[in-house]
Amino acid sequence: SQTIHQWPATLVQPVGSPLSLECTVEGTSNPNLYWYRQAAGRGLQLLFYSVGIGQISSEVPQNLSASRPQDRQFILSSKKLLLSDSGFYLCAWSVVGPPRGSPLHFGNGTRLTVT
Amino acid sequence: AQTVTQSQPEMSVQEAETVTLSCTYDTSESDYYLFWYKQPPSRQMILVIRQEAYKQQNATENRFSVNFQKAAKSFSLKISDSQLGDAAMYFCAYGTGANSKLTFGKGITLSVRP
Repeated sequence: SQTIHQWPATLVQPVGSPLSLECTVEGTSNPNLYWYRQAAGRGLQLLFYSVGIGQISSEVPQNLSASRPQDRQFILSSKKLLLSDSGFYLCAWSVVGPPRGSPLHFGNGTRLTVT
Repeated sequence: AQTVTQSQPEMSVQEAETVTLSCTYDTSESDYYLFWYKQPPSRQMILVIRQEAYKQQNATENRFSVNFQKAAKSFSLKISDSQLGDAAMYFCAYGTGANSKLTFGKGITLSVRP
């Protein structure tokens, strides 16, 4: 069966420090991978998605970047964190169709607090 | 751009009763799919139910069912025989295309009274 691992679970970082969140998927090949952010009182906002190694699409211009160095590894990074980067970050994967419209399967998330 | 609206921020239901959570969406696409996700206090996102737009039959999963009104662009979730474990935030989501990028609503917090 497929599983997704995301770490760390919580992170407290000072403003201006770098960030690296990692996500790996097991039990499937060539998944689509996603990074979402959930701010308090708001829904999930898609940050990045990837359909293959080295292929990253950015949905929202911001202080963050993503990379996919291996088929089932997705990394969210920042060189210098801002207070506004605080939030709950979720990694997700889906199968590449068919069928179209496969659901997203989420990791347990990372709570990031920038102080 | 597609939007998903969940206008009720909070709802409450008595245990064993039925509750309906509302969701509307805006799209010009004819082929798309809709989801409801549950996020309990653990914050794990759990898929509840999925609906394809081309299917007229409403999806059901045990105590969970949807009322999909394509013309009205409405996709409500009905929870029957509510249980304490149903207390969570529920998100409606819309997707189109082959890459499963989903647009989420802001969510609704459901509480269940014993």
